[in-house]
Amino acid sequence: DTGVSQNPRHKITKRGQNVTFRCDPISEHNRLYWYRQTLGQGPEFLTYFQNEAQLEKSRLLSDRFSAERPKGSFSTLEIQRTEQGDSAMYLCASSDGQGSTDTQYFGPGTRLTVL
Amino acid sequence: QKEVEQNSGPLSVPEGAIASLNCTYSDRGSQSFFWYRQYSGKSPELIMFIYSNGDKEDGRFTAQLNKASQYVSLLIRDSQPSDSATYLCAVRGDYKLSFGAGTTVTVRA
Repeated sequence: DTGVSQNPRHKITKRGQNVTFRCDPISEHNRLYWYRQTLGQGPEFLTYFQNEAQLEKSRLLSDRFSAERPKGSFSTLEIQRTEQGDSAMYLCASSDGQGSTDTQYFGPGTRLTVL
Repeated sequence: QKEVEQNSGPLSVPEGAIASLNCTYSDRGSQSFFWYRQYSGKSPELIMFIYSNGDKEDGRFTAQLNKASQYVSLLIRDSQPSDSATYLCAVRGDYKLSFGAGTTVTVRA
């Protein structure tokens, strides 16, 4: 069990550029989640996958955001035409979906700065 | 009203003292409750979870849950300087977590 990994750890981009983040969940975890966290706030839910199916997208996820999880393994989160308001820490978590004890474990996050 | 509210900090406690953190939630259908610790610039790290009313102890940490009052708490006994961090309360319904804004704890040596 190597934990959840995310790449890159840091990304600096100019407004209007596209960025893509990758998340590799804990092996055999069938649930994968994306959250966004800004300074002084708790993480906010963005989207959720059960295997390869994307089952919910938050209203926070505008049309510029898209997430995929091909073959139910790793996931990517793409932001098109980035805006300064997209600057945040993007967190990925995974869990095994086992009832009331289902517990989400977070990766190290990708810190995005949009100039 | 926010879904999850935590007592505002920062909370400063002397080394060896008990730190008490509180959290209330609005969704009565919430099933499980989690405490995460987050060091500055790092991602949340799970401390413990609780899903039944009552107390749950793990080392120096005790979580308490009262579903009737929609209240969760975390006690940190024998606080150490390494406990200085932001503590996040999270509530889960079906799958997603709803987080409070966090309480920052500083343990004074």
